[in-house]
Amino acid sequence: QSALTQPASVSGSPGQSITISCTGTSSDVGGYNYVSWYQQHPGKAPKLMIYDVSNRPSGVSNRFSGSKSGNTASLTISGLQAEDEADYYCSSYTSSNSLPYVFGTGTKVTVL
Amino acid sequence: QVRLQQWGAGLLKPSETLSLTCAVYGGSFSGYYWNWIRQPPGKGLEWIGEINRSGGTKYNPSLKSRVTISVDTSRNRFSLKLNSVTAADTAVYYCARAPLEWFDYWGQGTLVTVSS
Repeated sequence: QSALTQPASVSGSPGQSITISCTGTSSDVGGYNYVSWYQQHPGKAPKLMIYDVSNRPSGVSNRFSGSKSGNTASLTISGLQAEDEADYYCSSYTSSNSLPYVFGTGTKVTVL
Repeated sequence: QVRLQQWGAGLLKPSETLSLTCAVYGGSFSGYYWNWIRQPPGKGLEWIGEINRSGGTKYNPSLKSRVTISVDTSRNRFSLKLNSVTAADTAVYYCARAPLEWFDYWGQGTLVTVSS
């Protein structure tokens, strides 16, 4: 099971919207609505931002939204703010009984 | 408020055993899967394995021969042991709770360095 593919970096100006893609296969992203997204600031633990493709945990800003089409999931950040500058990782449940979770390669979001 | 607090040795020599423990405060221990995830310096996240309250485990096939995850339900704790470590095992190790197919609470992370 290979890591999910994410762009290495995405940037945007304050107030803009950006989208991060997460591409897998029919054995993971495409096969289940179990994609989650995590935000990680330097030196900190990851924080859950989206689960089950498009659900936001309590306390997460509604500027963050998730979607999926086929084998590709996406995280959109609208109204980009300086505090959104961080690394973002997607994760998906997989059909492998021995490796139920796979993470994405990670995307560095830069606020210009 | 759920909190995961983890601890363990941060510096190991090659061939030694990595040992970390994660204590869960402020929430139920049952009904969840308890996970270990690691992140080599400057790299992405790698799932190591999980355990449920009953002791059922799953491990990453790439680490399965060296990993043991155990649980102590009486103290709401779970532990990770990784045998025969090498420099490739140098990483920040995180414990995390999974209610279903996502990780909602994470420990603070422990940097484990393997060096002779």
